[in-house]
Amino acid sequence: GNSVTQMEGPVTLSEEAFLTINCTYTATGYPSLFWYVQYPGEGLQLLLKATKADDKGSNKGFEATYRKETTSFHLEKGSVQVSDSAVYFCALSDGRSFGNEKLTFGTGTRLTIIP
Amino acid sequence: GAGVSQSPSNKVTEKGKDVELRCDPISGHTALYWYRQSLGQGLEFLIYFQGNSAPDKSGLPSDRFSAERTGGSVSTLTIQRTQQEDSAVYLCASSSEGGGRFGNTIYFGEGSWLTVV
Repeated sequence: GNSVTQMEGPVTLSEEAFLTINCTYTATGYPSLFWYVQYPGEGLQLLLKATKADDKGSNKGFEATYRKETTSFHLEKGSVQVSDSAVYFCALSDGRSFGNEKLTFGTGTRLTIIP
Repeated sequence: GAGVSQSPSNKVTEKGKDVELRCDPISGHTALYWYRQSLGQGLEFLIYFQGNSAPDKSGLPSDRFSAERTGGSVSTLTIQRTQQEDSAVYLCASSSEGGGRFGNTIYFGEGSWLTVV
């Protein structure tokens, strides 16, 4: 079946540090890949997505590139801010057929940025 | 409203009682999902609706859990004879037809926090 493995947390960084959160996946077919973010006290919201190999999703200074050869979708940001403190979830949606529209999530990575 | 709306936002119930959780998806969204988020368990898929039918209910953990959707809009998740292990945040989400399969964005509500005492 489909699965997503993401970097264990928690991760603590200083402001302006470089961020990488690793995400790898297992899927048959051609999944779409997503990063969702959950800020403290808020609901899940889409951060970025990529729907085919070599696509790069980007938003709010975050980027992730869909790498089919390494089955990865690592999240990066060049300079993090305190406001980026949140839980980040990597997810995939199987592209094969009707009825497979759900998102399969990783376990989440809690990120804390200290000033 | 503009987003996915869930009610109640918080519910405390006694073990053995039944609870109903409601989800009002974004207008026009035909795909609707229920997930459960437990401490230390991540996000667990429960059921998916396309219109009023549920082609994927593989995540419902037991026959105490059921869900329905009427009029292609509002959905209700019912938990019968609640147990303490049912305590979690129940998240509803919606998207346009095909959901994540076509890379469509799936929008989440703020969740219903259920505590079984």
